[in-house]
Amino acid sequence: TQLLEQSPQFLSIQEGENLTVYCNSSSVFSSLQWYRQEPGEGPVLLVTVVTGGEVKKLKRLTFQFGDARKDSSLHITAAQPGDTGLYLCAGAGTYKYIFGTGTRLKVLA
Amino acid sequence: NAGVTQTPKFRILKIGQSMTLQCTQDMNHNYMYWYRQDPGMGLKLIYYSVGAGITDKGEVPNGYNVSRSTTEDFPLRLELAAPSQTSVYFCASSQIGGTEAFFGQGTRLTVV
Repeated sequence: TQLLEQSPQFLSIQEGENLTVYCNSSSVFSSLQWYRQEPGEGPVLLVTVVTGGEVKKLKRLTFQFGDARKDSSLHITAAQPGDTGLYLCAGAGTYKYIFGTGTRLKVLA
Repeated sequence: NAGVTQTPKFRILKIGQSMTLQCTQDMNHNYMYWYRQDPGMGLKLIYYSVGAGITDKGEVPNGYNVSRSTTEDFPLRLELAAPSQTSVYFCASSQIGGTEAFFGQGTRLTVV
């Protein structure tokens, strides 16, 4: 069974702080995705990383895929209240996506 | 642009009742998925389909059934509802595996 563990599970920080969320697995994935989910909504894709060691930036968000394609990290610089939400990583296989346990982020103004 | 549409949005069932959660997508996607999300947790895959007439089990299929008679529709059936099935259910679709998955807004189901 493929498992994706995310840490931390919960994070509450002040506006302007930096943070990093981790996603770890014992399995290799062909690609890994990060989604953000807001209350009452379905997850929405932020980014897909495909190549081991790949780094992608999306404004204040930086995503990195581990060299062995088993882990990933999401770094947010100068967090804002609008970043509040549940962040999910998902390992993408040929036919399906396996989601991580989630990190619930709250950014306080 | 409807995307993925789920109905109903909310439902309360009594133990032992049955119901069908509806999911339809208008993006002509081949792949469709059903996930459940327990409070504060990630998503667990129930069933998925790679095309009309083809379905397969995910991580937590027990107590559920699916069918895929058309590209657009992927209903999820609960035959004998149990309290353990209280959850939020999400349907999703993608063009092929590994590409962006588009999610519906979810169905919040409570079994009492």
